[in-house]
Amino acid sequence: NAGVTQTPKFQVLKTGQSMTLQCAQDMNHNSMYWYRQDPGMGLRLIYYSASEGTTDKGEVPNGYNVSRLNKREFSLRLESAAPSQTSVYFCASRRLDRGTEAFFGQGTRLTVV
Amino acid sequence: GQQVMQIPQYQHVQEGEDFTTYCNSSTTLSNIQWYKQRPGGHPVFLIQLVKSGEVKKQKRLTFQFGEAKKNSSLHITATQTTDVGTYFCAGRYFGNEKLTFGTGTRLTIIP
Repeated sequence: NAGVTQTPKFQVLKTGQSMTLQCAQDMNHNSMYWYRQDPGMGLRLIYYSASEGTTDKGEVPNGYNVSRLNKREFSLRLESAAPSQTSVYFCASRRLDRGTEAFFGQGTRLTVV
Repeated sequence: GQQVMQIPQYQHVQEGEDFTTYCNSSTTLSNIQWYKQRPGGHPVFLIQLVKSGEVKKQKRLTFQFGEAKKNSSLHITATQTTDVGTYFCAGRYFGNEKLTFGTGTRLTIIP
């Protein structure tokens, strides 16, 4: 039982390059989330998906797009990476009906140079 | 907007001393959760508080939810080196499924 799997674990991009961060969960959870973590800023919500087929903006959505491909997968795309997007990105999932804990992936450490 | 403030940002304690971190929201919360993140790791769920004035204990950890459901605290008694990490609260507001995280308190232990 893998839980929440994120790929890649590490990535270095040049300014202006694009990439997609992948996230998949095998717990049949309804809700999925993308957070970024920066020193002193805690975890800030980029986008979330309460259920398959829906996505909503979080606190810091600018420069990102998301796709809820199916119930298992929720991807985050950077169309034109900027140094300000250097961060650690976490995907999380949660069962909506119970309102219970969020399970996090291992994180993706992204550096934009 | 809906924000959860958390203090202190850092705390250094001698092993065996107590530790407390506080969270505060300007808006009433539906519930609040607490997570621990070890250095280099990902956040891991500790507990959820739902009821006004609720107090829950997990061994040396005591979690409280305020009467107005706007604040919460985590208290660790007699810290150990295994307590090292960053502790986050995460609030959920009525009417949406977002989890809004506090900025976290980074705990370091001096042996």
